[in-house]
Order: sequence, then C-alpha cells, then structure tokens
Amino acid sequence: ETGVTQTPRHLVMGMTNKKSLKCEQHLGHNAMYWYKQSAKKPLELMFVYSLEERVENNSVPSRFSPECPNSSHLFLHLHTLQPEDSALYLCASSQGLYASYNEQFFGPGTRLTVL
Amino acid sequence: AQTVTQSQPEMSVQEAETVTLSCTYDTSESDYYLFWYKQPPSRQMILVIRQEAYKQQNATENRFSVNFQKAAKSFSLKISDSQLGDAAMYFCASASTSGTYKYIFGTGTRLKVLA
Repeated sequence: ETGVTQTPRHLVMGMTNKKSLKCEQHLGHNAMYWYKQSAKKPLELMFVYSLEERVENNSVPSRFSPECPNSSHLFLHLHTLQPEDSALYLCASSQGLYASYNEQFFGPGTRLTVL
Repeated sequence: AQTVTQSQPEMSVQEAETVTLSCTYDTSESDYYLFWYKQPPSRQMILVIRQEAYKQQNATENRFSVNFQKAAKSFSLKISDSQLGDAAMYFCASASTSGTYKYIFGTGTRLKVLA
C-alpha cells in the first residue's frame, strides 16, 4: 500500500449507529488531518494531529470523535450523526504541520450517508 | 479572517485549448503559500502547483501555470493544451506560515474537457 488509504470507501448508517472511519498513511509523515467535503462548500478542516497530538479542533460537534494512536493511523469515530453530516470525509497527511509549503497528500475519502 | 474564493462553479474547455480558472484570496499574513489541487472523479486529490507569496515569478509545472497578482490577491490557474484527463474539480487553497495552523480551501471549480 502506498500513499494515504481510507476505509471504508462507502458507509451508510442510521442516526443511532456507531461507526468508525480509518485512515492510514505510508509516507512517514508527522501530521494528519480530517476534512469534510460537502457539495458547493469549501473543504472544511475538522481536526489536525501533529505527532499524535491534536492541535486543531474547528468547533466540530462532539458526535465526531478523532483518535490518533500513532503517526501512521487516524480514526474518526461517529456516533448519533445527523442527515446533514452526510458528506465525503477526506483524510490527509503532510510532512510537518507548520511548514505551510508542505504538500498535503489526500486519501480517496469515505462517502458517508446518514439516514 | 483568511478566505479563498472561487467564483466559477463550472468551466468547460475544448480539448487542446487553454482555460483559466480564477481564484481570489484574502489574508492578513505577510508570508503565505498558495496552491491548486486537482480532484478527478472518484480519485484522490493531488497537488497541481504551488506558489510562494514572496516569489514574484509565477510558478509553472508543464502545462499548468499560475498568474499570481499579489496586490490584487489573485491567483489564477492556466491549463494549456487541455487534455481529457484534466477533467476534475480544481481547488484553490492558501496556507499561512505563522505559528497557528491555517490551510483554507475554496469551493472548487468543476472543469469539463470536451472532445
């Protein structure tokens, strides 16, 4: 496996379900990110992790809970979501956090549908 | 506040022709970076080109070039000799180099390439 991988690629869940999204990067990067991509809206940064520590949480509802057990893995735990949470969830990684010239490497995304 | 605006939701270009995608941004930072990312249908987002704000020379990458107008806060992407594989969503983004993490994306422009 190379680059950034995400599983599952598609997920349909009810509002009372609990599910998790997984992201793995094979690039030796130190920073990882979760983004939400909705139609006709800017990519929304949700969480930023640097060296396994959360450094950014952009007012994301508590029904989204991130976890970064090591620098290669990032999870997004989902609980009691709302239909408006349906979107494409993208994971990304970069070499460092504050070196802004760093390219972000994106995963293919998880298409989430909340019924 | 840092913002990125893409005013063209959709653009079309004939194969082999040239197209320009617009992007304007606003930032209070004195040093920052600008990016264009490409997201092909059902494929991962990848970096197309990046520009360092302190450099006056416009960045180029093969058929892709930018027109960076710092005073006007404009950062357009020119694609020459358009190919069918250029069809994708294109996102403009800015990133600051200050201590706080700021990586802002626009809403995207969908580019269609006509055979």
